[in-house]
Amino acid sequence: SQTIHQWPATLVQPVGSPLSLECTVEGTSNPNLYWYRQAAGRGLQLLFYSVGIGQISSEVPQNLSASRPQDRQFILSSKKLLLSDSGFYLCAWSLTRTAPSGANVLTFGAGSRLTVL
Amino acid sequence: AQKITQTQPGMFVQEKEAVTLDCTYDTSDPSYGLFWYKQPSSGEMIFLIYQGSYDQQNATEGRYSLNFQKARKSANLVISASQLGDSAMYFCANTGGFKTIFGAGTRLFVKA
Repeated sequence: SQTIHQWPATLVQPVGSPLSLECTVEGTSNPNLYWYRQAAGRGLQLLFYSVGIGQISSEVPQNLSASRPQDRQFILSSKKLLLSDSGFYLCAWSLTRTAPSGANVLTFGAGSRLTVL
Repeated sequence: AQKITQTQPGMFVQEKEAVTLDCTYDTSDPSYGLFWYKQPSSGEMIFLIYQGSYDQQNATEGRYSLNFQKARKSANLVISASQLGDSAMYFCANTGGFKTIFGAGTRLFVKA
């Protein structure tokens, strides 16, 4: 069965410090991978998605970046965090099929709660 | 561009009654999917139900059904026989191509 792991679960970082969140998927090959951010009490904002190794699509211009160094590994990074980067970050994967030929159901990790002080 | 609108920030329902959560969407994709996800207070996101844009029948999954009205661009979620464990945030989402876009969500409170 497929599983998704995301870490760290919680972190508190000072403004201007770097960030690295990691996500790995097991039990599947060539998944689509996604990073979302959720502000407190709000919906999910798509940040990045990837349909293959080394391929990254950015949805929102910001000081965050993403990388996919391996097929089932997705990393979210920042060189210098801002206060506005605080939030709940969710990694997700789906099968490499587009709607509606196959439901592009997202399976999410447990999330990483980032507080920037 | 895709857009999802959920106009109900919060909803209350009595236990064992049915409730409808509203969702309207806008997309330029000729083929797309509509989804509902549940987010309990723990923060995990749980897939509930899916509707393809070419599906003729409304999707059902246990106590969940999706009232799909393509001409009106609406995809409302109906939860029958509400349970206390249904209290959570509910998100409507639209997938076109590889991207899934979420609405702002509706917080559902189930009263005993």
